[in-house]
Amino acid sequence: DTGVSQNPRHKITKRGQNVTFRCDPISEHNRLYWYRQTLGQGPEFLTYFQNEAQLEKSRLLSDRFSAERPKGSFSTLEIQRTEQGDSAMYLCASSFYSNQPQHFGDGTRLSIL
Amino acid sequence: DAKTTQPNSMESNEEEPVHLPCNHSTISGTDYIHWYRQLPSQGPEYVIHGLTSNVNNRMASLAIAEDRKSSTLILHRATLRDAAVYYCIRALIFGKGTTLSVSS
Repeated sequence: DTGVSQNPRHKITKRGQNVTFRCDPISEHNRLYWYRQTLGQGPEFLTYFQNEAQLEKSRLLSDRFSAERPKGSFSTLEIQRTEQGDSAMYLCASSFYSNQPQHFGDGTRLSIL
Repeated sequence: DAKTTQPNSMESNEEEPVHLPCNHSTISGTDYIHWYRQLPSQGPEYVIHGLTSNVNNRMASLAIAEDRKSSTLILHRATLRDAAVYYCIRALIFGKGTTLSVSS
């Protein structure tokens, strides 16, 4: 199966620690998106890439968050100095280009102790 | 504001058609309307999308109002596997979605 893959599936860490998540999109897809989802809410857009260029960042993406997509392939999302409010499911999606269907991974669930 | 408005929940019986409404009154002329659905502990799954014309695929139909301020996702014959949260989105903005329950 060549769907969107996210690792790890679950991450438990102590407040103040740094965490990094990885997303491997569908290989032919140019666009890659990151979302955050909390219980009972829909996914909230964080940022997206067109190939290796980060084109848009939500106001939700504080300076503790950074995302990269080197060489336009996989992407990483890093959260520095984690806080309780960062506990959420972090979803990655990819698509061919704008306005095309997004294919989502099953997310990384982050729990902050 | 790019938000869409959907009912919190809807119920259906198996084998019956389901019409899930969505309001997007501030939609721009170039924004596509996308529908996704999500099961617990899974990422959203693409259902259908469209711009102006009604669209059909193997999963569902999408009826878009002439003024594009609203749309309706149509599941022609609901099954138990269609029970999920359905999101209507535009411009990368998800709302809370509609939780669809299907009874046998």
